[in-house]
Amino acid sequence: AQSVAQPEDQVNVAEGNPLTVKCTYSVSGNPYLFWYVQYPNRGLQFLLKYITGDNLVKGSYGFEAEFNKSQTSFHLKKPSALVSDSALYFCAVRDKGSSASKIIFGSGTRLSIRP
Amino acid sequence: GAVVSQHPSWVICKSGTSVKIECRSLDFQATTMFWYRQFPKQSLMLMATSNEGSKATYEQGVEKDKFLINHASLTLSTLTVTSAHPEDSSFYICSASEPGLGHEQYFGPGTRLTVT
Repeated sequence: AQSVAQPEDQVNVAEGNPLTVKCTYSVSGNPYLFWYVQYPNRGLQFLLKYITGDNLVKGSYGFEAEFNKSQTSFHLKKPSALVSDSALYFCAVRDKGSSASKIIFGSGTRLSIRP
Repeated sequence: GAVVSQHPSWVICKSGTSVKIECRSLDFQATTMFWYRQFPKQSLMLMATSNEGSKATYEQGVEKDKFLINHASLTLSTLTVTSAHPEDSSFYICSASEPGLGHEQYFGPGTRLTVT
């Protein structure tokens, strides 16, 4: 069965500093990996995905994530945090070999950027 | 592109009544739609997967007779919460996918249901 772990409930970063939100995954085959962001009382917004190819994926709003197969990780990063980045971030995985298209979400990490 | 809408955005109903939530893909045809439930400060819990023209597949522990899902067209899926109770109060989010759009799901803005 596929699963996703986000070990940090909350990450606090000063504005202008780099940020990392951690994610590890478990699938039986090769993964599709995603990051989504959620603002209060809103649906999820897609940030980026890894399907195949380069391990470093660039996405929306200056975010990027690195796929590390040996460590089964897909950490979200940004070189310089903005206060407006404060939100709830979800990592998600889908088993590439699965015929079902459902994806499984991690528990979420609340990112707080202080001015 | 790839916009998903939900209606209503919030609803308050009395215990024992039924509530219908609509999920629409506005600019693409969604062969598959998903319904999630999210409790405060928690992750999304997948309730069911629906494919156009067929019965929904419910996740373990989700009552299919209580949460009725209909995916009658490629642009519309509905979730009906029947005989609602206060414990059904939650944030319900739908998403849609279409193979040609690249594997990710596109999410609606969510519907907050409060049962009094």
